[in-house]
Amino acid sequence: GQQVMQIPQYQHVQEGEDFTTYCNSSTTLSNIQWYKQRPGGHPVFLIQLVKSGEVKKQKRLTFQFGEAKKNSSLHITATQTTDVGTYFCAGYSGYSTLTFGKGTMLLVSP
Amino acid sequence: DTGVSQDPRHKITKRGQNVTFRCDPISEHNRLYWYRQTLGQGPEFLTYFQNEAQLEKSRLLSDRFSAERPKGSFSTLEIQRTEQGDSAMYLCASSLMDRVDNYGYTFGSGTRLTVV
Repeated sequence: GQQVMQIPQYQHVQEGEDFTTYCNSSTTLSNIQWYKQRPGGHPVFLIQLVKSGEVKKQKRLTFQFGEAKKNSSLHITATQTTDVGTYFCAGYSGYSTLTFGKGTMLLVSP
Repeated sequence: DTGVSQDPRHKITKRGQNVTFRCDPISEHNRLYWYRQTLGQGPEFLTYFQNEAQLEKSRLLSDRFSAERPKGSFSTLEIQRTEQGDSAMYLCASSLMDRVDNYGYTFGSGTRLTVV
């Protein structure tokens, strides 16, 4: 079955440093979504990428979908303490439901 | 619309007991999903409904699990003869889907189940 892998599992940065998490799928994805889960909270939808090579920005967050549509990345510029949480990628590969990765937990120290 | 509601927020039960959780999705959304999440893991798909029809069930969903969505509105997830391995956060989500576009899922706050 489809597998979605994320690295790193965990990253601790100082406020102001950049952060990147990477997502890789075992199969070609029709699209990919990113979610953020704050500690004690539930996943919240951030964005969807559909096209090969697509890049989208949301303020300090930059999302990229690979040319082969099997990988994606999320980059945060100049992290803030409000960025703390676990970031999940989730993909469709022809199935009707999303398969989530295990997530990357981000800790930001002031 | 206040989003996706789940009830209860927490449930502690003894092994072997049955439990039932409820999910009220966003009213305009036609799809409803159940996921399970354990510590340090991403949400794992259990089952989903389009309107009142249950269209897919994960192989993770044993015979002890059953889900319903009568009249295509709220949904219930029942676990019979609970086991300690069932302890997890049970997340409900809803979405609006059509053939062409996919939209993000809106998750509820979840029901945390502890089996003792």
